[in-house]
Amino acid sequence: EVQLVESGGGLVQPGGSLRLSCAASGFTFSSYWMSWVRQAPGKGLEWVANIKQDGSEKYYVDSVKGRFTISRDNAKNSLYLQMNSLRAEDTAVYYCARVLYSSGPDAFDIWGQGTMVTVSS
Amino acid sequence: SYVLTQPPSVSVAPGKTARITCGGNNIGSKSVHWYQQKPGQAPVLVIYYDSDRPSGIPERFSGSNSGNTATLTISRVEAGDEADYYCQVWDSSSDGAIFGTGTKVTVL
Repeated sequence: EVQLVESGGGLVQPGGSLRLSCAASGFTFSSYWMSWVRQAPGKGLEWVANIKQDGSEKYYVDSVKGRFTISRDNAKNSLYLQMNSLRAEDTAVYYCARVLYSSGPDAFDIWGQGTMVTVSS
Repeated sequence: SYVLTQPPSVSVAPGKTARITCGGNNIGSKSVHWYQQKPGQAPVLVIYYDSDRPSGIPERFSGSNSGNTATLTISRVEAGDEADYYCQVWDSSSDGAIFGTGTKVTVL
């Protein structure tokens, strides 16, 4: 079964750090672009970052540039999101998602169940 | 940056047809993808590349894209179709994915 399982969410104070993990199974992880997508409580979906198969290309939404770092370990079939200098507006459910790719990144065809990050004092 | 606009809500009676629009500047030149999200659950891809259906998605779900509007159509609506629906494209100018504002579909 193709599956993505996130972990690492929790409550953190403003200015703090958190590292999210996403464990992939049931497919060849190293063959896919991967992304993080978040959803603030009661709000819509927001793409956060994505990473190429070999980690050589990474892209971020402007609001997290310089604070978040996406990475992957293909040997461990795992995706990560290191989040530093966290702000209240980063509070959201964070989803790991697999990216379909043709001439460029396209749809998110597989999603994890999400992990909640709450930034509050 | 690129903006995708959806109606906040659509109401439809069981057995009827729901149409959800996604407006964007020259969106017809882009590939549009659609997601269904039920309360407390992760999004599910229901249409990709404008009109393709992933395996397991009923034929009642269809999509089209032309000009400045993409449309997700749900035929013979069922109570289980009640959910939030989001359109999505990739924006080459920002090298990122853009989601629409989301539409809540209510089955009367």
